[in-house]
Amino acid sequence: DTEVTQTPKHLVMGMTNKKSLKCEQHMGHRAMYWYKQKAKKPPELMFVYSYEKLSINESVPSRFSPECPNSSLLNLHLHALQPEDSALYLCASSQVGTRNQPQHFGDGTRLSIL
Amino acid sequence: QQQVKQSPQSLIVQKGGISIINCAYENTAFDYFPWYQQFPGKGPALLIAIRPDVSEKKEGRFTISFNKSAKQFSLHIMDSQPGDSATYFCAASIKQAGTALIFGKGTTLSVSS
Repeated sequence: DTEVTQTPKHLVMGMTNKKSLKCEQHMGHRAMYWYKQKAKKPPELMFVYSYEKLSINESVPSRFSPECPNSSLLNLHLHALQPEDSALYLCASSQVGTRNQPQHFGDGTRLSIL
Repeated sequence: QQQVKQSPQSLIVQKGGISIINCAYENTAFDYFPWYQQFPGKGPALLIAIRPDVSEKKEGRFTISFNKSAKQFSLHIMDSQPGDSATYFCAASIKQAGTALIFGKGTTLSVSS
């Protein structure tokens, strides 16, 4: 079992729906990440939060809206998604330090857009 | 310059053999090089990682070799087992980039029994 918990595990939604993905960690990590992974491809960074503040947005379309309500939680709000947004969405967390710290991933949410 | 090139794309190894996956990078600002293992339906799991001030790191059957001058690093899996069959990703990151990971394209390893 991973220490980063993502819900739901699977999500099917229409292009006009609004849904949210949730991520939770209790390792005391102060950096949290959203990655998108298409089949047979590596994860691609979407957003980075450091100390609950958005520090990196990799030019992600506005139909994806991240939120970090506290140091343990990370949400990804979805609205008006396109079929090409179907993918595995991964959350990760790490400590923040003077040197790079290991990132720990959850098992992801498998998103399908109809 | 932000790319990490990984080879081979796929690898078949006999049980008990050595699996070797190679990665190369251009950006000398990279200062952290982890390897991740991913099984179908699961997220990537950190396997082992190395920093440029070390040339080799070993954890159990897994070893990273790092060649700073050649800007290359590799993963060696000794005594490969069928349970090692998975996709392996090398990655790199730059502290100044906020610890974002740049992944290689992945290697699918199949260990035959």
